[in-house]
Parts: sequence; structure tokens; C-alpha cells
Amino acid sequence: AAGVIQSPRHLIKEKRETATLKCYPIPRHDTVYWYQQGPGQDPQFLISFYEKMQSDKGSIPDRFSAQQFSDYHSELNMSSLELGDSALYFCASSLARGTGELFFGEGSRLTVL
Amino acid sequence: EDKVVQSPLSLVVHEGDTVTLNCSYEVTNFRSLLWYKQEKKAPTFLFMLTSSGIEKKSGRLSSILDKKELFSILNITATQTGDSAVYLCAVDMNRDDKIIFGKGTRLHILP
Repeated sequence: AAGVIQSPRHLIKEKRETATLKCYPIPRHDTVYWYQQGPGQDPQFLISFYEKMQSDKGSIPDRFSAQQFSDYHSELNMSSLELGDSALYFCASSLARGTGELFFGEGSRLTVL
Repeated sequence: EDKVVQSPLSLVVHEGDTVTLNCSYEVTNFRSLLWYKQEKKAPTFLFMLTSSGIEKKSGRLSSILDKKELFSILNITATQTGDSAVYLCAVDMNRDDKIIFGKGTRLHILP
């Protein structure tokens, strides 16, 4: 069965650079969530999209932005990277609002040097 | 402020033991409580609980929700080394697409 696909799986950047992470939800899933998980930390909600519109915003820095495209894939853009941005970034999708059952991708590990 | 609190943060037991993981929450507009298991990669879904007092079971795992006291427990009986993982509790809030996680319970099963 198709799962949530994230790319790249690993990314190494230097401070002040820009990075873009991509997420391809499970087909027919209309809601996408982005989470940031630091080492030994719980996932922190960043932002979510429903039907290509931003539906909620969490602790996402102003340096980050995201969008969901017409094919439902989503991209998380991170600029002026800082050392503290090093983390595992998970994307999750769900079939519809309110089901609560998120399907997570494998994550994109970002390392900022 | 919405929050999800899990306890204990870490637990080490011997194979065959039974463990109970706790999750309490304080959120506005509760919709459901979710349990996830996270090993080395992405969290995998275990249970979704929406009603009080109804136990959900899957093999050796079971979970129940108390909406009056605002907590849930996850039980694992006859633990196996493969149960070693971080167990995350999350709450889905009934106003928008936001699910917040607790810090997790790191469970380690000794052979």
C-alpha cells in the first residue's frame, strides 16, 4: 500500500542557507501535517493544510513557510537556517478531518552545520 | 495552554511483565486521544479513543479513556523485547487540524 513519501530523507545544510522538504501524502488524503522532532523530543506541530489551504499553525518560525499544491503534495521551506533547526521533520496525512488517524512519512533528517 | 502529559517518561521492565502507561490532558475542544508507537522511524498508529470507558484492544495492547478525569492508559501485557519503543500520546482538538503530542514514555524491555 502507498505510504506518505518524504524527500529528501537526509539533508545537510550550513547556517543561513535555505532548505525545502517535500511531502507526498497517501492518495486521496486531503489533510497534511508537518511536525518537527528534535533529538529525544516529542513531535512539535508546525502547520497543517486541508484541501490546499492552511488550516492551522503551530510553533512554526517566521523563517519557515509551507504550502500544499493542487496535487496535494506539500513543501516546507526553511530559510536562514540555524543550528537549532537540526531535527527530524515528519509529514503526516489523514483521509479527512476528524479521523485523528495520521499516517506518518519516514521523516526528513535535516542537519545544519 | 493546551497540553498533554505522559508518565512515566521512562520505564525499564523485564520481558513478560505488564506495563501501564499514563496520559493526561488539558485541552480545549477535545475530539479524540491517540496512541502511537515510535521505534527508530516514524510513529505508527495504535489506537484512537473518543468515548469514555470503552476499551480498545489489539493483541497484548489495550487502552481506555476517561473523559471525566481527562486521562488515558495504555496497557501492554506479557511484554516482549519488540515492545521496546517510545509510546506517544496525542490529542486531536475539535476545532481545526491540530494534534498535539505528549513527550512520550520510553519503554525498554529487558530479555
